[in-house]
Amino acid sequence: EIVLTQSPATLSLSPGERATLSCRASQSLSSYLAWYQHKPGQAPRLLIYDASNRATGIPARFSGSGSGTDFTLTISSLEPEDFAVYYCQQRSNWPPAFGPGTKVDIK
Amino acid sequence: EVQLVESGGGLVKPGGSLRLSCAASGFSFSSYSMYWVRQAPGKGLEWVSSISSSSRYIYYADSVKGRFTISRDNAKNSMYLQMNSLRDEDTAVYYCAKQIVPDSTSSYYFDYWGQGTLVTVSS
Repeated sequence: EIVLTQSPATLSLSPGERATLSCRASQSLSSYLAWYQHKPGQAPRLLIYDASNRATGIPARFSGSGSGTDFTLTISSLEPEDFAVYYCQQRSNWPPAFGPGTKVDIK
Repeated sequence: EVQLVESGGGLVKPGGSLRLSCAASGFSFSSYSMYWVRQAPGKGLEWVSSISSSSRYIYYADSVKGRFTISRDNAKNSMYLQMNSLRDEDTAVYYCAKQIVPDSTSSYYFDYWGQGTLVTVSS
């Protein structure tokens, strides 16, 4: 099974700053990686799929990049509503697997 | 508007059973594979089970295989998770989620999720 690791575990930033989150896979995923945002008490929200495609309704400040084993989610300028936990998820090999998450909190 | 609403969670003793439901609306339910994903307290997301649009393909995580049963009723736009022989480690919020692409067995990203239902297994 594919294992995903995310770094850092916590990212402390201020509104307006740039956030760079990393996801690394134990084997190549090609481009089959998604990113989700999750806030307490809410449904997870799909942000990016196939490494770089924004899901419907996702603001342009969210962008994804990478292929193979190394992927990045970038939030160009943090808005107050962006403070949350972010998970990556792979669909290259069954079963679907999530990373442990990166918490983006307010500095 | 796509909506997924889970129900059926609650407090149950170890060894007990619960049946979760997921009511779907706003899309052609019978065309999409559906999933259960859970989040234990303080932990990340974990895929639990999935069912294809016609119920032909059903899969379980090793951690629940033999204890949980997924099913769906396309006439009722609903999915279910029968959970038997529950253990402490099954305590989690259980989410139902919709696959992003219809009639596909490979495009397992999840574009809509419910709010979740809490299952607590404790004596």
